[in-house]
Amino acid sequence: KNEVEQSPQNLTAQEGEFITINCSYSVGISALHWLQQHPGGGIVSLFMLSSGKKKHGRLIATINIQEKHSSLHITASHPRDSAVYICAPGGGGADGLTFGKGTHLIIQP
Amino acid sequence: DSGVTQTPKHLITATGQRVTLRCSPRSGDLSVYWYQQSLDQGLQFLIQYYNGEERAKGNILERFSAQQFPDLHSELNLSSLELGDSALYFCASSVGSRGTDTQYFGPGTRLTVL
Repeated sequence: KNEVEQSPQNLTAQEGEFITINCSYSVGISALHWLQQHPGGGIVSLFMLSSGKKKHGRLIATINIQEKHSSLHITASHPRDSAVYICAPGGGGADGLTFGKGTHLIIQP
Repeated sequence: DSGVTQTPKHLITATGQRVTLRCSPRSGDLSVYWYQQSLDQGLQFLIQYYNGEERAKGNILERFSAQQFPDLHSELNLSSLELGDSALYFCASSVGSRGTDTQYFGPGTRLTVL
């Protein structure tokens, strides 16, 4: 079973700050997903990474497969970024995705 | 809007009952995944279907079952409901069967067991 650790669990920051959320996992994988869940409950897939780095707008995700670690960065954070961010390592095995407990992010204006 | 639909949005029922949750994937997607999100366990993968066949199985209880129909919609059946089954149930869909495919999540069904 893949043990997934996210840090921090909770993060409150001021608008404009650079945000980093970390995810470590215990079992080698072929891909990792970053998800965003808003207070209303809906889940949006932000990234699927198998190597290196991806960028979408103000969001950047990186992964180091050898070190079993991924990070999600938010540049120029905005109150609308307030949400729970969840990492989910996986890769098509019989066990599906495993999920971190999530990082609760609040961006204050 | 992800293109994935789930019905019903909310469901309130009693212990011991049976319910069916329905999911329609995005047009063109062949895989459907079911997930459970509870306060104490977080998000958990339950089961995946690909083009009508079971593809992967996670922490799905024996009281729960699922299927994917020829039109690719899927149903999750929960029986002998217990208080602990109260949770948000999400389905997601993807084009292929691999965990490396982007998954698109539905809005969820909130199940309350009283």
